[in-house]
Amino acid sequence: SQKIEQNSEALNIQEGKTATLTCNYTNYSPAYLQWYRQDPGRGPVFLLLIRENEKEKRKERLKVTFDTTLKQSLFHITASQPADSATYLCALCASGGSYIPTFGRGTSLIVHP
Amino acid sequence: GAGVSQTPSNKVTEKGKYVELRCDPISGHTALYWYRQSLGQGPEFLIYFQGTGAADDSGLPNDRFFAVRPEGSVSTLKIQRTERGDSAVYLCASSPSPGRSSGNTIYFGEGSWLTVV
Repeated sequence: SQKIEQNSEALNIQEGKTATLTCNYTNYSPAYLQWYRQDPGRGPVFLLLIRENEKEKRKERLKVTFDTTLKQSLFHITASQPADSATYLCALCASGGSYIPTFGRGTSLIVHP
Repeated sequence: GAGVSQTPSNKVTEKGKYVELRCDPISGHTALYWYRQSLGQGPEFLIYFQGTGAADDSGLPNDRFFAVRPEGSVSTLKIQRTERGDSAVYLCASSPSPGRSSGNTIYFGEGSWLTVV
């Protein structure tokens, strides 16, 4: 069956360090992969998208990598700040269909001052 | 409005009652999605509309759940004979033109928190 796995344990890091979150998937052929941020009590907010033929994407302090051989995406936040504390969701949009995003359960990031 | 609007933001209902949740998407967005999110989980797909028609309703858990979008804009998610297990946040999202070329970025509302007691 199709699975999207994100670490259920919270990631605790110190301010200024780089946070790295992992998204692994099985039995998918994604056209692209997306990362969203979700704050408590709020809806998810889109951050970045990376296509199947792209290896890396950057946006300000954010970097996403996509390895379709390993079936893995890494999401990095450099120079992390306490305001980056949130849950980060990975979503896959499968090819050959209507590109409906399917979400992982998310990983909570806590940046300590 | 500028974003996706959902009402009510909170709803407490008794087991067995009927509930309607409303979504007003971003103006001009043809695609509309309903997701359900339980505590500690990611959003779970329920139904997708392209215009007025339900293009994919494979995520609806059973026939107590139904959604409409009669004029291709506002959508209503309807839940009949609510059960305690229906308690969750119901998220609506919209996108301008889904598909490979657009990357299908979707924009979420803040959700309707449903509690069935």
